[in-house]
Amino acid sequence: GAVVSQHPSWVICKSGTSVKIECRSLDFQATTMFWYRQFPKQSLMLMATSNEGSKATYEQGVEKDKFLINHASLTLSTLTVTSAHPEDSSFYICSARDWAQGPDTQYFGPGTRLTVL
Amino acid sequence: AQTVTQSQPEMSVQEAETVTLSCTYDTSENNYYLFWYKQPPSRQMILVIRQEAYKQQNATENRFSVNFQKAAKSFSLKISDSQLGDTAMYFCAFILFGNEKLTFGTGTRLTIIP
Repeated sequence: GAVVSQHPSWVICKSGTSVKIECRSLDFQATTMFWYRQFPKQSLMLMATSNEGSKATYEQGVEKDKFLINHASLTLSTLTVTSAHPEDSSFYICSARDWAQGPDTQYFGPGTRLTVL
Repeated sequence: AQTVTQSQPEMSVQEAETVTLSCTYDTSENNYYLFWYKQPPSRQMILVIRQEAYKQQNATENRFSVNFQKAAKSFSLKISDSQLGDTAMYFCAFILFGNEKLTFGTGTRLTIIP
C-alpha cells in the first residue's frame, strides 16, 4: 500500500518558537494532502486541505496565520506551527490521497507529537 | 452535513472470538464511500476496509468484514478470530463521492483479552 511519512515523530519546543512538521508521500504523488489534529482519546479533527501549488483550505476555526501549510511539491507538504503555545500541544497527523488507488482513499502518516513547554 | 456515530466507546473480547463494532451515518446523498480505520497504540492510522455505497455486496478483507445496510445507514465491522494485534481504536469514516473530506466517528476502543 501507499506509504506516508512524517518528520519529526515527536518534538518538544519552548513557548513562542515555531515548529515545522513534514509530510511526505514516499511511493506515490499526492496532489492533495490533509492535516489533522488529534487530542488524547478523541477522534481526528481536520485542520486543512493542502493542494500542491496552491493555497491551503482551512477548516472553520483554524487560524491560518498560526498553522502555515505549504505544499510545494507532489510529495511534500509542511505544517508550521508559529509562535507555539502550550495549548498547541497535540498529536498532528497528515494524510495523502493516492489517486491510483481511487480518489477516495487516504493514507495516513504516523503522526507527530508536539509538546510546547 | 454528514455525521458518523459510533455508539460503543469501548469494547473487549476474548482472543479468538468474534466482535462486531457498530457505526451509523447520516447523509442525504446517494454516492459515497465508507471506511474502517484502525489506530493501534503506535497511533498509525491503518485502513482496514473500504465499501463503495453503490455496491450491494459487503466488503471483506481476510478476518474483517462489514455489514453494510444502506437503507438503515448502518456500517458495522465484524472481526473474526480476533487476535491480540487487533487491540486498537477503530474509527468509522465517511466521504462523499467527489468530495475530499473524510468525516470520522468518535471511535471505539477495542481490547482483545488473552
